Amino acid sequence: GAGVSQSPRYKVAKRGQDVALRCDPISGHVSLFWYQQALGQGPEFLTYFQNEAQLDKSGLPSDRFFAERPEGSVSTLKIQRTQQEDSAVYLCASRGGLAGGDEQFFGPGTRLTVL
Amino acid sequence: AQKITQTQPGMFVQEKEAVTLDCTYDTSDPSYGLFWYKQPSSGEMIFLIYQGSYDQQNATEGRYSLNFQKARKSANLVISASQLGDSAMYFCAMRGTGGYQKVTFGTGTKLQVIP
Repeated sequence: GAGVSQSPRYKVAKRGQDVALRCDPISGHVSLFWYQQALGQGPEFLTYFQNEAQLDKSGLPSDRFFAERPEGSVSTLKIQRTQQEDSAVYLCASRGGLAGGDEQFFGPGTRLTVL
Repeated sequence: AQKITQTQPGMFVQEKEAVTLDCTYDTSDPSYGLFWYKQPSSGEMIFLIYQGSYDQQNATEGRYSLNFQKARKSANLVISASQLGDSAMYFCAMRGTGGYQKVTFGTGTKLQVIP
């Protein structure tokens, strides 16, 4: 497809379960970002990849959150031992270049609900 | 550190009228970029318009224009001739020019267009 895709679109997990959220960026895009968007809030940065390298993970809220992009394309955000406060929409975005002015293209998000 | 402030949680506008959504920002970066995104109820983030801090002219994209006042650190979005399909959340965002250019979002303004 032409855009960023994410799967699943909706995920319900019981507290304590592990979840994995997938992001397929636009083909050839170097930069990939993960954001967390709580209800009624703007997206909050979680982590950034340049190709396969995770250059910034300063936004990950705890060590239960882990992201990878092993081949520089598809990325997976994993949350271990989910808690209710993890309930949010997780957005993935990709960007083609590294220069200023290049916009980020967002996927539709994965809505995670932890019961 | 970067900060985006959107002080209008909600706005109403009559169809075919113009509306201004406020955004102020704070940054220590000498060079930066400002964005506006639209998020309909379906959840995807749609890029609307970009303004670079050194751009001499205000950005325009169709019915969208960005009223950039650098000295006041404001980047208001003006939507002309509002349409019912403009009803959505609108996020102002900023990106610095250092490193990979992480984007910081505001809390959003919910715009409702009244027929």
